[in-house]
Amino acid sequence: EAGVVQSPRYKIIEKKQPVAFWCNPISGHNTLYWYLQNLGQGPELLIRYENEEAVDDSQLPKDRFSAERLKGVDSTLKIQPAELGDSAVYLCASSLGPDTQYFGPGTRLTVL
Amino acid sequence: QKEVEQDPGPLSVPEGAIVSLNCTYSNSAFQYFMWYRQYSRKGPELLMYTYSSGNKEDGRFTAQVDKSSKYISLFIRDSQPSDSATYLCAMSDGNTGKLIFGQGTTLQVKP
Repeated sequence: EAGVVQSPRYKIIEKKQPVAFWCNPISGHNTLYWYLQNLGQGPELLIRYENEEAVDDSQLPKDRFSAERLKGVDSTLKIQPAELGDSAVYLCASSLGPDTQYFGPGTRLTVL
Repeated sequence: QKEVEQDPGPLSVPEGAIVSLNCTYSNSAFQYFMWYRQYSRKGPELLMYTYSSGNKEDGRFTAQVDKSSKYISLFIRDSQPSDSATYLCAMSDGNTGKLIFGQGTTLQVKP
């Protein structure tokens, strides 16, 4: 069974530029999560989707971050404009139930 | 104070040693407890999953949950160099679907 797929794996951009990350969850997993992981820290939830609906986006900085999950499968997370402090690893995870989450390899973002 | 506290280490042990990793938490609503292993430049990999209090064993790994003390542990027996990674504890209340992670403990097993 294929795991969670994310792309790109690495991205380097200059501040104020836009950037987008893509995630394809495990087949059949209705719940999809985006997490932010800073260096030396555990992941922190940005947004959770149940099918197409964002059911928890309370931690998503909505002034510059947006996300979508069209058709309840793939998802895209966007930052516009990026700031220096956005440099981190962006992880996507999916699950069948509310707790056993499976993570992708992440996208490592560097903002210069 | 963070909801989940985990000593970041680093922890360095010789091959074959028994490793003990721990987390404490403050939210008594947590019911599900997990341990993830994260290799450098990889995503977290689910290692152990426990519901409520008690022990769970899987090969060289044993997870313990003591809800009365709000304390969870992961034991690794006969540690191997391939166990060198960051170990993250995570927990949830089972209702919100939100996992709260510890900071992660970096483990190095020396041959």
